[in-house]
Amino acid sequence: GAGVSQSPSNKVTEKGKDVELRCDPISGHTALYWYRQRLGQGLEFLIYFQGNSAPDKSGLPSDRFSAERTGESVSTLTIQRTQQEDSAVYLCASREARPTDTQYFGPGTRLTVL
Amino acid sequence: GQNIDQPTEMTATEGAIVQINCTYQTSGFNGLFWYQQHAGEAPTFLSYNVLDGLEEKGRFSSFLSRSKGYSYLLLKELQMKDSASYLCAGATGGGNKLTFGTGTQLKVEL
Repeated sequence: GAGVSQSPSNKVTEKGKDVELRCDPISGHTALYWYRQRLGQGLEFLIYFQGNSAPDKSGLPSDRFSAERTGESVSTLTIQRTQQEDSAVYLCASREARPTDTQYFGPGTRLTVL
Repeated sequence: GQNIDQPTEMTATEGAIVQINCTYQTSGFNGLFWYQQHAGEAPTFLSYNVLDGLEEKGRFSSFLSRSKGYSYLLLKELQMKDSASYLCAGATGGGNKLTFGTGTQLKVEL
C-alpha cells in the first residue's frame, strides 16, 4: 500500500517568510511524528500527535514552529519568520495504534532558507 | 535527558560481517530501534528490541542489554547495497518518540 508522503519535496524560501510543510500518513495510522534532520546531525524529535491532539510538543525549538493535524490524517508543520538555522530535512513518520508499532518515515521535505 | 552514542563511520569488506555498536543513557526507556538510511532517502525500519537478547532477521541481527545501556546491529554477508547510514534510536515516553544518534555511515568495499 501507499507509504507516508510529504510535500513539497524541496522548498527554498527567503529569511523571514512563513512556510507550510505537509504530511500524509499511512491510512489508518493513528500516531504521527515530525522530526528534523540538519546536515551532518541526527534526527531530532519535534512533535507527536495521537489522533488530532498533540500530547508531546517538547521538541518544537521555538514558538515560530507549530503543527496541526485534522481528521486523524493530514498534518501540517508551519514555520513562521524562517531563519537560516531552520534549514534542514523535515521528516514525518506514522504508526499504528500501539506505541510499540514501527514508525514508518516519509521521504522528507528539504527546506533551504536563504 | 537522553543521549545516544554510535561511531561516526565504519568500513567493511563485501561478504564480511560488521557490528555497529550503540550506547545510550535515557530515562523512561521503552526500547531501541535500528533504521537504515541511504543518502537522500527516508529511514527504513530494520529492528526493534524491547527485551534483552538477540533478535535475528535474515542477514541482520540486533542485540540489546538494558542493564548496560548497550545495543548492536550485526550485518552478515555484506553487500555493496548495505552501504548506508545506520541509525540507532531510543524510544521513550507514552508515545514512543524516538531519540536518534547521529548515525553510523557504513561503507562496504570490494
